[in-house]
Amino acid sequence: SQELEQSPQSLIVQEGKNLTINCTSSKTLYGLYWYKQKYGEGLIFLMMLQKGGEEKSHEKITAKLDEKKQQSSLHITASQPSHAGIYLCGAGHGSSNTGKLIFGQGTTLQVKP
Amino acid sequence: GAVVSQHPSRVICKSGTSVKIECRSLDFQATTMFWYRQFPKKSLMLMATSNEGSKATYEQGVEKDKFLINHASLTLSTLTVTSAHPEDSSFYICSAPGVGSTEAFFGQGTRLTVV
Repeated sequence: SQELEQSPQSLIVQEGKNLTINCTSSKTLYGLYWYKQKYGEGLIFLMMLQKGGEEKSHEKITAKLDEKKQQSSLHITASQPSHAGIYLCGAGHGSSNTGKLIFGQGTTLQVKP
Repeated sequence: GAVVSQHPSRVICKSGTSVKIECRSLDFQATTMFWYRQFPKKSLMLMATSNEGSKATYEQGVEKDKFLINHASLTLSTLTVTSAHPEDSSFYICSAPGVGSTEAFFGQGTRLTVV
């Protein structure tokens, strides 16, 4: 079965600093999703990547999917306290993308003012 | 974007009782919905796939008789935790695929506490 490994598991950065979160899959990724979650709340969709080499940006968050489609990175530029939360990468099951996802273990981000 | 509404957001129940959690797609139809469970400081674990008009498909290790799923209409799936025990306390969250299944929309989640 496919597994997603996120690193680091937790991160504390000073406000204004850049940071990167990685998500590595044991199998080829057919759809890679990034979500943000505040503990005990629902998931906020950030981005979805499908094509090898694809890169998407939203405000100060950029996500990339590598050419081999087995790793994705999420980069936050000039972090702010509002970026704090749990970042989850999720992948579709197999090649048929039905919206059914498996998730990495999450990366907890704290941003110190 | 599409909205998935989950209710209640928090519930406390006594051991031995049953609790029903609702998941509604508000502005689109969902023939399939997914139920996940999240333990404290852990990731989301897929529990089951809810199928409109047919039986749910459960992931390995998930008790069908404890977690009853009913997908009665194209906009509503329910998860009933039967004979709840304290170990069932968790965060439960549902999702529905968007058009073309290129995105999964998540509900707000339900925090269940069994006392």
